[in-house]
Amino acid sequence: QKEVEQNSGPLSVPEGAIASLNCTYSDRGSQSFFWYRQYSGKSPELIMFIYSNGDKEDGRFTAQLNKASQYVSLLIRDSQPSDSATYLCAIDSGGGADGLTFGKGTHLIIQP
Amino acid sequence: EAQVTQNPRYLITVTGKKLTVTCSQNMNHEYMSWYRQDPGLGLRQIYYSMNVEVTDKGDVPEGYKVSRKEKRNFPLILESPSPNQTSLYFCASSPGGEKLFFGSGTQLSVL
Repeated sequence: QKEVEQNSGPLSVPEGAIASLNCTYSDRGSQSFFWYRQYSGKSPELIMFIYSNGDKEDGRFTAQLNKASQYVSLLIRDSQPSDSATYLCAIDSGGGADGLTFGKGTHLIIQP
Repeated sequence: EAQVTQNPRYLITVTGKKLTVTCSQNMNHEYMSWYRQDPGLGLRQIYYSMNVEVTDKGDVPEGYKVSRKEKRNFPLILESPSPNQTSLYFCASSPGGEKLFFGSGTQLSVL
């Protein structure tokens, strides 16, 4: 059984600070890692993906992957109130044949 | 505009009354799937389809049916809905099963 673990939060971060969201996974064969953002009452939206160990940056977002530790994180720099949402970590264990396994999400609140 | 369209957005029904939630995508994606989202349980996959006439069970398939007669459409069928199927449902499509594009969701209440 593939498991993806996230702290449910809420994680409260002051505006302008760095928000750090973490995710651990159980399947060592996992190959692809995704972060989705979901606003209340809306559908999930892909914001970052990472395949290799290390960091991947896209604007204010940085995804970090450590396969040895089975750990993936998302950093949001210069946090804005509009970043307040639930962030879902998702893992694909290979081939995409059976889709993604999602964590339960971390609720992030950016305080003005 | 590239999109995944689900209908209806909201649905209230009674136990045992068959219903269908439609899903259509205009991106020519081969892969489509259905998820349900419940508080404290997150997103769980119901069924997925790799291509026309190819479907397979996800993590929580009991009580659901799907069909994939055309590439663009992937309806979710509840033959005899029960209250434990009250949930928020999402259809998603992908060119390869990874980068999912989600529909806007269907909030289903079974009384």
